[in-house]
Amino acid sequence: NAGVMQNPRHLVRRRGQEARLRCSPMKGHSHVYWYRQLPEEGLKFMVYLQKENIIDESGMPKERFSAEFPKEGPSILRIQQVVRGDSAAYFCASSPFSGQGAGTGELFFGEGSRLTVL
Amino acid sequence: QKEVEQDPGPLSVPEGAIVSLNCTYSNSAFQYFMWYRQYSRKGPELLMYTYSSGNKEDGRFTAQVDKSSKYISLFIRDSQPSDSATYLCAMSGADSWGKFQFGAGTQVVVTP
Repeated sequence: NAGVMQNPRHLVRRRGQEARLRCSPMKGHSHVYWYRQLPEEGLKFMVYLQKENIIDESGMPKERFSAEFPKEGPSILRIQQVVRGDSAAYFCASSPFSGQGAGTGELFFGEGSRLTVL
Repeated sequence: QKEVEQDPGPLSVPEGAIVSLNCTYSNSAFQYFMWYRQYSRKGPELLMYTYSSGNKEDGRFTAQVDKSSKYISLFIRDSQPSDSATYLCAMSGADSWGKFQFGAGTQVVVTP
């Protein structure tokens, strides 16, 4: 039973390029969350998606960042025209339910995608 | 002021000692309280989950929540070198489960 799969694990981009990060949730999970972890900081919520719907994007920067979770395929976090401040680890998490994750409170995290902007 | 405050450490303890970690928070709406462990360059994994106030024990781990003081704790008994990691507290309100507020994390080093 594969966990949350994220790729690429490491991505290097030059300023102005685009970064696309992919997340395949655990089998049977239809709720996906994206978090960003800057160096020496905790994880910060970015966006919550269900299949074909953005439920809460209150943590997303207003410009250059977008996310989707299509009916088929992985969730995508897209960063256009990257800047050095976008360098961070981006984590995806999934849950089978919208509340309390099957009663255990568990949100299953992937291993993260580490973006470096040169 | 951050919604969740956590001392970044590092906290160094000898093997077998009790590790004591804590977080304070300011939002009285928080109902769900979690502790995650994160090894270097890995994703967070859930250690303990508590709803509202009280204590919860699981093996060597004990989590405590004091909502009146807005203070949560995690204790690790009989610490092992394999417990060396960063420990993150996380919390959310009843209507925002999954949209967690994380502490900055405390780095713990258990020395043999």
